[in-house]
Amino acid sequence: EADIYQTPRYLVIGTGKKITLECSQTMGHDKMYWYQQDPGMELHLIHYSYGVNSTEKGDLSSESTVSRIRTEHFPLTLESARPSHTSQYLCASGGTANTGELFFGEGSRLTVL
Amino acid sequence: GNSVTQMEGPVTLSEEAFLTINCTYTATGYPSLFWYVQYPGEGLQLLLKATKADDKGSNKGFEATYRKETTSFHLEKGSVQVSDSAVYFCALTLGGSARQLTFGSGTQLTVLP
Repeated sequence: EADIYQTPRYLVIGTGKKITLECSQTMGHDKMYWYQQDPGMELHLIHYSYGVNSTEKGDLSSESTVSRIRTEHFPLTLESARPSHTSQYLCASGGTANTGELFFGEGSRLTVL
Repeated sequence: GNSVTQMEGPVTLSEEAFLTINCTYTATGYPSLFWYVQYPGEGLQLLLKATKADDKGSNKGFEATYRKETTSFHLEKGSVQVSDSAVYFCALTLGGSARQLTFGSGTQLTVLP
């Protein structure tokens, strides 16, 4: 049973709107990640965090921003959504054992009209 | 750089058929290898892993053996079920860090009754 939660699961909005995708985990993990999953299913790391007040850009350039004020919370924000932002966004967290194992949320599917 | 190559899908099988999903990797060093599964409408979850050569990971009837000589980590199951229909991702990490987790492109499996 997953202990990492994403909201909303589905979001349809108009161009230019500001959106925040929420991600929370109750496992006490220091490391958290945001992936963008394209329609072809490939996963692209867009943001990661090693702990509170630590955030880094991932391998795929993204116009989104993230914050990590609390260990359990890692929200992703788009200031002005565009149709090109339409995608599935997956949040994940990893334990301190550094095993490479990630725990994923169920995803937030964003559609920008 | 590191990379993971999976057999292209989609793969469609009848129930109780034998499954193989090929995965090969390129890495500078000795990676840990993973298979993740994504069921419809859900996030990814770890299916199995292997951390050194000749290790066999297994879970839910699925198996994969870390073959250093062929740089492969093929996923197998002797008898698939309809409930195994999902997308399967092969992944690797070096040094056990999830930050350096490299995913393959995913293979869609559909099992027909």
